[in-house]
Amino acid sequence: AQSVTQPDARVTVSEGASLQLRCKYSYSATPYLFWYVQYPRQGLQLLLKYYSGDPVVQGVNGFEAEFSKSNSSFHLRKASVHWSDSAVYFCAVSMLGANTGKLTFGHGTILRVHP
Amino acid sequence: DTTVKQNPRYKLARVGKPVNLICSQTMNHDTMYWYQKKPNQAPKLLLFYYDKILNREADTFEKFQSSRPNNSFCSLYIGSAGLEYSAMYLCASSRRDWGNTQYFGPGTRLLVL
Repeated sequence: AQSVTQPDARVTVSEGASLQLRCKYSYSATPYLFWYVQYPRQGLQLLLKYYSGDPVVQGVNGFEAEFSKSNSSFHLRKASVHWSDSAVYFCAVSMLGANTGKLTFGHGTILRVHP
Repeated sequence: DTTVKQNPRYKLARVGKPVNLICSQTMNHDTMYWYQKKPNQAPKLLLFYYDKILNREADTFEKFQSSRPNNSFCSLYIGSAGLEYSAMYLCASSRRDWGNTQYFGPGTRLLVL
């Protein structure tokens, strides 16, 4: 069965620091890969997604993610975080198949950015 | 407008009583999803509607019902709530094509006492 692992339950960084949130997936083929963010009292919002092409994909608000087929990873990065980036970040995958569109999520990483 | 709305935002229910949660979207998406999210856990897909066809996950098949009276609305129904149903319930919609973005509502927080 496919799975998504986000090994860091919580990450705390200072404002202006760089950020990497890790995501690894387990699936024999390359799935569609997503990063969603959930700000307090809001629904999940898409940051970026990837299936093919340049392994570095740009998203909103200065986020980018890098796909690595050899490592089965899709890590999220940001060069300089802002306090407003404090949120919960979810990595998710979608398989091509009978349940096209179904998302499998990781547990999420709580990001706290302190001034 | 990419808004998905959910009502109510908070719901208090008694053990053994029914619960009905509502979701709506105006994007004319053909697919609507319901996820359950518990603290420190991944959102878990419960079921989804593709057009008028309901697909329920095998491990939650008996516990949740749903209806979709029209393209814009979808409900999640619990016939007899148990303590284990306390969670955040997230509704999402999308076009069904692989890789399409799912748009999420703010969620309904259900507390069963």
